[in-house]
Amino acid sequence: GENVEQHPSTLSVQEGDSAVIKCTYSDSASNYFPWYKQELGKGPQLIIDIRSNVGEKKDQRIAVTLNKTAKHFSLHITETQPEDSAVYFCAASEVNDYKLSFGAGTTVTVRA
Amino acid sequence: DSGVTQTPKHLITATGQRVTLRCSPRSGDLSVYWYQQSLDQGLQFLIQYYNGEERAKGNILERFSAQQFPDLHSELNLSSLELGDSALYFCASSVGSGAGYGYTFGSGTRLTVV
Repeated sequence: GENVEQHPSTLSVQEGDSAVIKCTYSDSASNYFPWYKQELGKGPQLIIDIRSNVGEKKDQRIAVTLNKTAKHFSLHITETQPEDSAVYFCAASEVNDYKLSFGAGTTVTVRA
Repeated sequence: DSGVTQTPKHLITATGQRVTLRCSPRSGDLSVYWYQQSLDQGLQFLIQYYNGEERAKGNILERFSAQQFPDLHSELNLSSLELGDSALYFCASSVGSGAGYGYTFGSGTRLTVV
């Protein structure tokens, strides 16, 4: 089955700086890569996703890049703000597969 | 509010007991997924239902069972509870039967077994 590894496990950044989280996956058939943000006491929320026919996708301060050859994808958050503090999860699956395989999560802390 | 409703939010019960967790999917979504989140295991897939039928099973223990009703709400039954079953249980829904449609998660049920 799919195995997703996520790094780093914790990340502390100064407000206004950028944050980068990296994930690798094992199954070359995977072609759907979403990112979720989980705030304290809440369920994970989809913030951005990318499919394998696209190398990069951007949504305001958030961007995701995908390198299918190397089997890794990354989340970039620019101009970080205190409300970006949360746990971020990457995931991977085949588009028609029944489940998402999640990374272990990255706890991001934005220092004011 | 994500549109996925999970009840109860918190549950404290003793070892050996049985509990039922309930999930109402987002309006229009036909798939319901159950995940377990613990500190050392991350988000682990348990089971998926699509339009009332079981579609896939993950790492779900035999002591656990689930079903999806005609109104599409789902229940996860956990029996003979052990201390190690303490975790957050999330329900997610999607419009189609595949993960590529994107999941919407509920806010979870925190189960504490004492």
